[in-house]
Amino acid sequence: DVKVTQSSRYLVKRTGEKVFLECVQDMDHENMFWYRQDPGLGLRLIYFSYDVKMKEKGDIPEGYSVSREKKERFSLILESASTNQTSMYLCASNPAYQGVGEKLFFGSGTQLSVL
Amino acid sequence: ILNVEQSPQSLHVQEGDSTNFTCSFPSSNFYALHWYRWETAKSPEALFVMTLNGDEKKKGRISATLNTKEGYSYLYIKGSQPEDSATYLCAFMEKTSYDKVIFGPGTSLSVIP
Repeated sequence: DVKVTQSSRYLVKRTGEKVFLECVQDMDHENMFWYRQDPGLGLRLIYFSYDVKMKEKGDIPEGYSVSREKKERFSLILESASTNQTSMYLCASNPAYQGVGEKLFFGSGTQLSVL
Repeated sequence: ILNVEQSPQSLHVQEGDSTNFTCSFPSSNFYALHWYRWETAKSPEALFVMTLNGDEKKKGRISATLNTKEGYSYLYIKGSQPEDSATYLCAFMEKTSYDKVIFGPGTSLSVIP
């Protein structure tokens, strides 16, 4: 069974802490994505990566950075957590362009609370 | 920023009712349109991937249509059941940057037994 695994289901952090959210996929996908989900706003793209060490900003990258040192792992980093980063974070992956509209596979999400 | 919109925002229907939702997206540089179902406490799962204008897809009681020229897709649920209660998300992939997947805000469906 194919899998995208996020390291934590729930996380509570304090303002100013550095936070790491980890995501691992076992499908050998080239592309990996980080989204955050807030009520009424849907899934908003933070960053994505199309290859090892390659990254692109999404629509809301401010306050976040990412790391992709290995193909299967994509990390989201909050350099200095703030209360407005309290949200559900979803990781997803899909294969590179194959001409068939490649669907995303999602992790189960991390609910982050910043106090 | 690409704009993907969905309507309605939420919907409450009686068991057995049929319903439909709308997704609108940019009509230029189209590559693909996805529909996902997101149930509470689970991960979003893909329902349909649509790539051609006029595409119609069906999975049991759920079906979807695609019009890329005017930039909209419809999702239909026939004879809604309580287990259909979920948030339905559409996502747009643009040809110029097909590695980027942009979601609409979703439609939350509640089916009342």
